[in-house]
Amino acid sequence: EAGVVQSPRYKIIEKKQPVAFWCNPISGHNTLYWYLQNLGQGPELLIRYENEEAVDDSQLPKDRFSAERLKGVDSTLKIQPAELGDSAVYLCASSRGLAGGNEQFFGPGTRLTVL
Amino acid sequence: GEDVEQSLFLSVREGDSSVINCTYTDSSSTYLYWYKQEPGAGLQLLTYIFSNMDMKQDQRLTVLLNKKDKHLSLRIADTQTGDSAIYFCAEVNDYKLSFGAGTTVTVRA
Repeated sequence: EAGVVQSPRYKIIEKKQPVAFWCNPISGHNTLYWYLQNLGQGPELLIRYENEEAVDDSQLPKDRFSAERLKGVDSTLKIQPAELGDSAVYLCASSRGLAGGNEQFFGPGTRLTVL
Repeated sequence: GEDVEQSLFLSVREGDSSVINCTYTDSSSTYLYWYKQEPGAGLQLLTYIFSNMDMKQDQRLTVLLNKKDKHLSLRIADTQTGDSAIYFCAEVNDYKLSFGAGTTVTVRA
């Protein structure tokens, strides 16, 4: 079974530029998560999808961040415009469902550097 | 997350036991998790414990849970060089995981 796939793995951009990250979850996983991991910290949830519906985006800075999961499978997270403070690792995870015991499987992340 | 606290660094000699400690705040968490993150990789679930358990053992891993003190620990027996990584504890409320800042474990020969 393939794991969670993310691309690109690394991205370097100048501030004020747009950037997009892509995630392909594990086949059959209805729940998809985007996390932000700053250096030296644990991941923090940005948004959670159940199929194509964003059921929790309370931590997503909506002035510059957006996300979509149009067909309930792949997802894209976008930042426009990027700021220096957005430099971090963006992790995607997926799980089978809502139950708290369901394991969340993480992708390798996209490391963003904003210059 | 600010609700979950861990010590930041642990150095251990190869073959010794490692003990990583964590405190959490949400007494309603039904599960508590330990994740491992190797350089350049995502998080891998190592083990978890139900909130109604005191201990769980899985090969070289032993998890102890003290609900009264909201304290969780992970013991790695016979620590190997491949155990060098960052270890995160996490509490879950419904679906939402809240992570600690991670403990960097360095295994020295």
